[in-house]
Amino acid sequence: EAQVTQNPRYLITVTGKKLTVTCSQNMNHEYMSWYRQDPGLGLRQIYYSMNVEVTDKGDVPEGYKVSRKEKRNFPLILESPSPNQTSLYFCASIPRGMNTEAFFGQGTRLTVV
Amino acid sequence: AQSVSQHNHHVILSEAASLELGCNYSYGGTVNLFWYVQYPGQHLQLLLKYFSGDPLVKGIKGFEAEFIKSKFSFNLRKPSVQWSDTAEYFCAVNPAYSGAGSYQLTFGKGTKLSVIP
Repeated sequence: EAQVTQNPRYLITVTGKKLTVTCSQNMNHEYMSWYRQDPGLGLRQIYYSMNVEVTDKGDVPEGYKVSRKEKRNFPLILESPSPNQTSLYFCASIPRGMNTEAFFGQGTRLTVV
Repeated sequence: AQSVSQHNHHVILSEAASLELGCNYSYGGTVNLFWYVQYPGQHLQLLLKYFSGDPLVKGIKGFEAEFIKSKFSFNLRKPSVQWSDTAEYFCAVNPAYSGAGSYQLTFGKGTKLSVIP
């Protein structure tokens, strides 16, 4: 089954404790992206990757890192989480081409206390 | 860069009422347009999409949307809502680049729909 898998689904952590949210897709898509969703703000792009070893900042990259060492995985790294990073995070993968649509993971609800 | 505006933050309707959610975008070129739905506690699901052709697009669960290029709009409609349509709805747009390139999918801020039985 074609899918985008995020882990964990829920995470509560403390300020400053490094964490990684994993994202994996099995569709061989070139493009992957991370979004955060906050009430009243919709989804905002954090980082995206156009292919292996190619990543770039989205609209709200501060406090986040990503890597794309292999095509299927695109982890989101919070080196020193802060309470303002409490949010719902979505990973997406998109196939190459002009008229394509994004496939989203099930989301990771992160709480930083 | 493109932007998306959804006019209503929260819409409350009774069951069987008709629904129209507004979405306007700003971008000078050709775009692909999407409506996503997020049911409480769940992830995003694609309701419908427009790439080209007939500007009236039909999606799942009886939803449809009309692309009006001159108005830069892509409004979502449903003739008769049900309690199960209670959810948050997001309009999204991405430039229809040809070939390889980035995929900048920009979302509106969302509209919460509450349907009262």
